[in-house]
Amino acid sequence: TQLLEQSPQFLSIQEGENLTVYCNSSSVFSSLQWYRQEPGEGPVLLVTVVTGGEVKKLKRLTFQFGDARKDSSLHITAAQPGDTGLYLCAVSHGSSNTGKLIFGQGTTLQVKP
Amino acid sequence: ETGVTQSPTHLIKTRGQQVTLRCSSQSGHNTVSWYQQALGQGPQFIFQYYREEENGRGNFPPRFSGLQFPNYSSELNVNALELDDSALYLCASLRRGTENIQYFGAGTRLSVL
Repeated sequence: TQLLEQSPQFLSIQEGENLTVYCNSSSVFSSLQWYRQEPGEGPVLLVTVVTGGEVKKLKRLTFQFGDARKDSSLHITAAQPGDTGLYLCAVSHGSSNTGKLIFGQGTTLQVKP
Repeated sequence: ETGVTQSPTHLIKTRGQQVTLRCSSQSGHNTVSWYQQALGQGPQFIFQYYREEENGRGNFPPRFSGLQFPNYSSELNVNALELDDSALYLCASLRRGTENIQYFGAGTRLSVL
């Protein structure tokens, strides 16, 4: 079983639509990261959330860390084709962020023009 | 551009062979982690090197081994290749002790026939 469960696994939408992807676990984490990976590239860090209930915004992307620090969501407003990619949540193995990451299986997002 | 360079970009091997993948980390980064990413999945942590010593290992057999050199570049070696070793292999570097943001290379796509 996966430590981090992401849903949905695949999402295909039209440009301009809104969407939310989820990252859930039964474990409590000190922090959680979201990455985006485009075809032929490695994952790129979008955000790190640390505090329960924390909300962070990055342009049209809104990230939320659950109050109990067990889950997180990523909401994209008015999706654009440039948002297409694999969205990954990840947590650190161990208590501190030392680069040993455990990833969810990812959500593949396709935004059609 | 993350400053992390991996070579080769693509590689085809046959079952039973050995392979060496290379990673040149971002300048000043003393920690390198290697990940295996199967198609449509999230990356899985293989191991990490810090100051030329292995510093943590995921659930991978001993035929996966590595090295880190004094200039902090790194190699991943896989012996006795199996068909299931076909994947994208990612390396990521960070400078431990600062902001601990990990930067990923674009990966090496390994196909085992």
